[in-house]
Amino acid sequence: QSVLTQPPSVSGAPGQRVTISCTGSSSNLGAGYDVHWYQHLPGRAPKLLIYNDKKRPSGVPDRFSGSKSGTSASLAITGLQAEDEADYYCQSYDNSPSWVFGGGTKLTVL
Amino acid sequence: VHLVESGGGLVQPGGSLRLSCATSEFIFSDYDMHWVRQATGKGLEWVSTIGTAGDTYCPGSVRGRFTISRDDVENSLYLEMNSLRVGDTAVYYCARGFFSCLDSWGQGALVTVSS
Repeated sequence: QSVLTQPPSVSGAPGQRVTISCTGSSSNLGAGYDVHWYQHLPGRAPKLLIYNDKKRPSGVPDRFSGSKSGTSASLAITGLQAEDEADYYCQSYDNSPSWVFGGGTKLTVL
Repeated sequence: VHLVESGGGLVQPGGSLRLSCATSEFIFSDYDMHWVRQATGKGLEWVSTIGTAGDTYCPGSVRGRFTISRDDVENSLYLEMNSLRVGDTAVYYCARGFFSCLDSWGQGALVTVSS
C-alpha cells in the first residue's frame, strides 16, 4: 500500500489530453511538501518530469504540466504521443521523515 | 551527471550484498543521495537516504538490515545489505537528491534473493 495514491492505469488516443492524479495526506502533500513526477520506461532509469509541483527540468516538453492543491496533485499530458507510453510516479516528502512514492500509473496510448 | 550502480547479483536468504554507485560530472559532496528499489511488477520504493553531513534515513522495512554510506573522496555511494529476504529482490537505483526530489538516476542493479 503506497503512501500516495495513483490510479493504476490511464489511456488516451494520440493527440488527446490525459491527467494522472496523486492523493496524499496531511503528513505529506497536505503539509505543504512539494510533489514531483517521474516517467519510467521498462529497463530504463526513471526520469524526473516535473519538480516542485509544476516546474519542468530542462528538456522536458511543455506538453507535460503539474499542479497541486491541498492533499492532491495532478500530472497533465497534452498532445499525447506514442512515446509517452510509460509508467508515471508521483513522489513527495513525508513528516516521518521519509521520501514517499505513489504506486505508479501505467499510461497506454491507444 | 552520471550514476552507475554495481554489485548486484544472486544471494541466498539471510545473506549479504554491497551495492556501489559511482558518480561523476557533478560535485558529489554537495548533494543528498538516495537508494530506491523496484520489485518486478511493483512500483518504486524508497530504501535509504544519506545527507551531505552523513545523516541517514530509511524506512522500517530495511532499518537494522541496510546501511547507506558515502565516500566524498571517491564520489561514491554505497548500500550494505544484510539479512536479505526474498522480498528484497528488486532492481536497486541510486539517485541524486535535489531539494526533496530525485533529479538524476542510475540504470539500476538487480539483486535477487533466492535459495
